[in-house]
Amino acid sequence: DTAVSQTPKYLVTQMGNDKSIKCEQNLGHDTMYWYKQDSKKFLKIMFSYNNKELIINETVPNRFSPKSPDKAHLNLHINSLELGDSAVYFCASTGAGNTEAFFGQGTRLTVV
Amino acid sequence: AQSVSQHNHHVILSEAASLELGCNYSYGGTVNLFWYVQYPGQHLQLLLKYFSGDPLVKGIKGFEAEFIKSKFSFNLRKPSVQWSDTAEYFCAVRYSSASKIIFGSGTRLSIRP
Repeated sequence: DTAVSQTPKYLVTQMGNDKSIKCEQNLGHDTMYWYKQDSKKFLKIMFSYNNKELIINETVPNRFSPKSPDKAHLNLHINSLELGDSAVYFCASTGAGNTEAFFGQGTRLTVV
Repeated sequence: AQSVSQHNHHVILSEAASLELGCNYSYGGTVNLFWYVQYPGQHLQLLLKYFSGDPLVKGIKGFEAEFIKSKFSFNLRKPSVQWSDTAEYFCAVRYSSASKIIFGSGTRLSIRP
């Protein structure tokens, strides 16, 4: 059973398109995150939700909109995709208290 | 500002050499500390973590790390590396005042067989 699962694993799309990435966790965690990993492997947090509430919104273009229908799901919708959006996007979750983050397999987004 | 620094961008070692990767974090009160590993093309996996107690933490695959509070450091060590340790290693910190986990820039480890 995959603890944190993301779909799709690969996404190739043209500039200007709108796309979504889905994430689900079956760990019963309260908090979920989206991280962006660029070509230099740098990991930067984008958003965090706790029990469906947005708690972290880093400096991210408003073309990126997260949505959490319930605490087990955190989706990421991206409008008007740009070349610079090409990266690997990781979903993660943490439980209450002192726990580590569990990561999904990542979604490699390529904008052409 | 809350931040994590990893001093080595790329480390190249021969098999059986000893490894130490540096990690420092900025002061910000109580912290949880982590080391993650990312094998080529894969997601991040936890190697070890420190929350409290014994500052010498042992993780999986023979890795260990030592929390030195006075130096704000959490260096990763392994006495004898193997070719299969080739990967990207990330130090991470969570400050008690914040819910997010902040990652360092990563260290690429290459092992010569």
